[in-house]
Amino acid sequence: QLQLQESGPGLVKPSETLSLTCTVSGGSISSSSYYWGWIRQPPGKGLEWIGSIYYSGSTYYNPSLKSRVTISVDTSKNQFSLKLSSVTAADTAVYYCARRVVPAARFDPWGQGTLVTVSS
Amino acid sequence: QSVLTQPPSASGTPGQRVTISCSGSSSNIGSNTVNWYQQLPGTAPKLLIYSNNQRPSGVPDRFSGSKSGTSASLAISGLQSEDEADYYCAAWDDSLNAHVVFGGGTKLTVL
Repeated sequence: QLQLQESGPGLVKPSETLSLTCTVSGGSISSSSYYWGWIRQPPGKGLEWIGSIYYSGSTYYNPSLKSRVTISVDTSKNQFSLKLSSVTAADTAVYYCARRVVPAARFDPWGQGTLVTVSS
Repeated sequence: QSVLTQPPSASGTPGQRVTISCSGSSSNIGSNTVNWYQQLPGTAPKLLIYSNNQRPSGVPDRFSGSKSGTSASLAISGLQSEDEADYYCAAWDDSLNAHVVFGGGTKLTVL
């Protein structure tokens, strides 16, 4: 059974870079049928797609975040990572990683999520 | 403001049938499939409906989805207390910068 687990600091200072890693277990990140994505949810608000990556390194990003986002993949570790630069309080959210079926907006399964707070 | 439009809230009594709408445009719902997610309180979202009307294994057939033009709907029949959750629609958007778009979410209350 495929499982995803987010990891990374729970507190980031304003203007710094948020870094998270998603570890995939129970399956290979190098599958040709899937992208791997990040989605976030500010407290009490809705879901926002951040971006997705293919095992080859091909990426799609949310246009509103594109200038600050980098998603990378490490197939040897079965992991993919998120970096969000120049963070502000507005970036405080629960960050989820999930597998995405190509070419749809079909995410399954999801990680449990990790809360990242931006505060000094 | 979300690209896909959902009502912020919906409600029903046990046993009732409720529907949740999701309105988009020709670049998203109009040209791509719609997926629905259920988010129970304090948990991660879970795929509920994919490809407009398909249920993943384990999802009760009380849940159904449909799409027409640039709108989609999620229907829940035989409403149960455990259905109280937030529901989100999502679709791929083929606009200039291709990306995933979500609806703003609908909070379903079982009265």
